[in-house]
Amino acid sequence: AQKITQTQPGMFVQEKEAVTLDCTYDTSDQSYGLFWYKQPSSGEMIFLIYQGSYDEQNATEGRYSLNFQKARKSANLVISASQLGDSAMYFCAMRGDTGGFKTIFGAGTRLFVKA
Amino acid sequence: NAGVTQTPKFRVLKTGQSMTLLCAQDMNHEYMYWYRQDPGMGLRLIHYSVGEGTTAKGEVPDGYNVSRLKKQNFLLGLESAAPSQTSVYFCASRGSSADTQYFGPGTRLTVL
Repeated sequence: AQKITQTQPGMFVQEKEAVTLDCTYDTSDQSYGLFWYKQPSSGEMIFLIYQGSYDEQNATEGRYSLNFQKARKSANLVISASQLGDSAMYFCAMRGDTGGFKTIFGAGTRLFVKA
Repeated sequence: NAGVTQTPKFRVLKTGQSMTLLCAQDMNHEYMYWYRQDPGMGLRLIHYSVGEGTTAKGEVPDGYNVSRLKKQNFLLGLESAAPSQTSVYFCASRGSSADTQYFGPGTRLTVL
């Protein structure tokens, strides 16, 4: 069975500092994708970054990077130079490439950026 | 290009009432999904569709039915609403060759 674990219910970071949000996963699929989404207080789900299981390089999108360690089954999100607007809920998700390409989500981490 | 839209945005039902949530996408996506989000639990997949005329069960399908009669629309039905179905419902779609799901704005449903 597939599973996503986010062990940090809440995190605080000082503005302009970097922060790492943890995500571990479990799957028996050989091919899969890992995602991070941001959910601000307004409620919408915003796609941030994607990492394919066969991608050799870690994904980066602007201030977001995904620290992918396949052997450890971890896919941590790193946000550099935090901004007040980064305060939100962050969800790690995984899509297996079997079983209809279903995506499962972790419980989320709430990030608070302090001025 | 509206992306993924959901109707309605808010709804209050009484126990036992029925309703249908509509999800529409204008990106010609093959895959469509319905999720529910409860406090502290992330998103859980209710049902999904891999193409027009197809549907399949997700993690929490009980109490819900779905239909995908047209490629652009994915309907979620509650035949007899229960308080346990109070939640925020998200629809998402994805192209067959794409990695990213695009989400609608959500529907907040309260069952009294």
